[in-house]
Amino acid sequence: EVQLLESGGGLVQPGGSLRLSCVGSGFIFNNYAMTWVRQAPGKGLEWVSAIRGTGTSTFYADSVKGRFTISRDNSKNTVYLQMNSLRDEDTAIYYCAKGVLILDPFDVWGQGTMVIVSS
Amino acid sequence: DIQMTQSPSSLSASVGDKVTISCRASQTIGTSLNWYQQTLGKAPRLLLYGASSLQSGVPSRFSGSGSGTDFTLTITSLQPEDVATYFCQQSYTTPQTFGQGTKVEVK
Repeated sequence: EVQLLESGGGLVQPGGSLRLSCVGSGFIFNNYAMTWVRQAPGKGLEWVSAIRGTGTSTFYADSVKGRFTISRDNSKNTVYLQMNSLRDEDTAIYYCAKGVLILDPFDVWGQGTMVIVSS
Repeated sequence: DIQMTQSPSSLSASVGDKVTISCRASQTIGTSLNWYQQTLGKAPRLLLYGASSLQSGVPSRFSGSGSGTDFTLTITSLQPEDVATYFCQQSYTTPQTFGQGTKVEVK
């Protein structure tokens, strides 16, 4: 069964940092681009960042550029999202999702991990 | 960024009704349009991709159409388990933007 499992969410103060992880199973991880999508409480979906299967190219939303870094370790079937200089507006459920290429639809999603930025 | 606008924001229909949700892109995106279903407290689920291709395992009462800037998701016979919020998404270019969602309820 193809699965994605996120972890690393929690409560952090404004200006703080957090690293999210997403472990994939049931598929050849390095064949797939991975994307982070977030959803603020009661709101819609926002594409955050994506990385190619090889890890050679990364992409960011303007709202997180310069603060968030996406990376992957294909030996561990894991993609990461390092989040620095966190703001109140970063509060959301963070989902990881997979697609073959960067611009492919997301056919599998994780269950999400909650990030709360608050003092 | 390409803006995606869905209508209506919410709707209520009876079991067995035909339901139509519209999605408009702020610029042409060909058929790079996907639809997702999100039930309460769950992650989104891919329903349709490429504007009209049904994802494996999705019931055939769901269908999609459109190209360019105007797209439609249709549920031919609404079922109780279709209560959810539906999002369109363009995968023409990054950032891959989503519509604001359409909440579907059963009367």
